[in-house]
Amino acid sequence: QSVLTQPPSASGTPGQRVTISCSGSSSNIGSNPVNWYQQLPGTAPKLVIYRNNQRPSGVPDRLSGSKSGTSASLAISGLQSEDEADYYCAAWDNSLNAWVFGGGTKLTVL
Amino acid sequence: EVQLVESGGGLVQPGGSLRLSCAASGFTFSSYSMNWVRQAPGKGLEWVSYISSSSTTIFYADSVKGRFTISGDNAKNSLFLQMNSLRYEDTAVYYCAREPGNYSGGFDYWGQGSLVTVSS
Repeated sequence: QSVLTQPPSASGTPGQRVTISCSGSSSNIGSNPVNWYQQLPGTAPKLVIYRNNQRPSGVPDRLSGSKSGTSASLAISGLQSEDEADYYCAAWDNSLNAWVFGGGTKLTVL
Repeated sequence: EVQLVESGGGLVQPGGSLRLSCAASGFTFSSYSMNWVRQAPGKGLEWVSYISSSSTTIFYADSVKGRFTISGDNAKNSLFLQMNSLRYEDTAVYYCAREPGNYSGGFDYWGQGSLVTVSS
């Protein structure tokens, strides 16, 4: 059971906007920035959002992140087939002295 | 170009030991904290261990505490994970990952992963 809670699946049609949620607690999301990773099948994870809402170089601005209290969200607008992947949220947990991950959300582009 | 290349994975019996290595290039290794993250077959990501750039601060997940040891060699630009008393549930792809910020900026570069299989 993961410390951060994500929906196991999400879906949308090309061009739609999809949102993936991530819920935590005061010791992790409530106290520290949230990062999001995209993992395509058979590949290593890739950082797509850091410090709640910052995009690394090369990540399209269709992806955006936000945080409020002990929850965070990843939004993908203008959905494309290449966005089909697993997405994970993560944050540092001050009580555990550990990085904690969500269980992952499998995004399907219909 | 930043590169992280893991090696040392393989098949090991329960109770056995294995040492993973992560060779870093393309950046000043001694300036960054590093982590190990693993992924069991068909499962999600699980953080394993953290080491600060100076190696003075080290953290472990409860699931590996007392069995795994993380270390770094700045002269060789390498990160290591010594894994002892391996269990079936340690079977996973192990990734090394660079951490540019202090517990805030996430892991900006990852290796390709090294598969560890614990089986009799």
